[in-house]
Amino acid sequence: AQSVTQLGSHVSVSEGALVLLRCNYSSSVPPYLFWYVQYPNQGLQLLLKYTSAATLVKGINGFEAEFKKSETSFHLTKPSAHMSDAAEYFCAVTRGGYQKVTFGTGTKLQVIP
Amino acid sequence: DVKVTQSSRYLVKRTGEKVFLECVQDMDHENMFWYRQDPGLGLRLIYFSYDVKMKEKGDIPEGYSVSREKKERFSLILESASTNQTSMYLCASSSPLGTENTGELFFGEGSRLTVL
Repeated sequence: AQSVTQLGSHVSVSEGALVLLRCNYSSSVPPYLFWYVQYPNQGLQLLLKYTSAATLVKGINGFEAEFKKSETSFHLTKPSAHMSDAAEYFCAVTRGGYQKVTFGTGTKLQVIP
Repeated sequence: DVKVTQSSRYLVKRTGEKVFLECVQDMDHENMFWYRQDPGLGLRLIYFSYDVKMKEKGDIPEGYSVSREKKERFSLILESASTNQTSMYLCASSSPLGTENTGELFFGEGSRLTVL
């Protein structure tokens, strides 16, 4: 079985501050890991993905994430928050097959001016 | 631009009504999915399909059925809507994992269903 845990359903940061959204996964086989972002009243779109190549993955809008097997973590970071980063972020894991993807419960990011 | 289109953004239905949610993708993807999104619960998989006329139950299939008669179209059916099915429904598609495909899901904009 596979699962994803996102710590913190709401995170607030000041504009210009570091963004850190936490994700821990559980998977019996090497996983594929994803971060998706959802802006209000929209579907989800891919931010970045880990597919067993480089452990530090860069995505769109200045976000990056590091796969740490020893910690079973895939935390999302951005050095400097922008107002436009306010959204809900979902961590997800799949281990192949028919690509049944398991999502975390999401973290809403608030950016304070 | 690749696209997943959900037929209705907002629906209001009454308890007991039959509800159809339609999803069409133009990327020739084999896999299609229906998720339900509720605050604090994230996305939960209802059903998925990996080929025409094929379907598999997800984590919460009770009260739902699906239809995939054509590759590009995947429909979610609520046979008799209930108030606890009030939710946001998201359709997604993907290609099978392979050397060039890494499992990315492409989502529609969602259908917000209210059952009164």
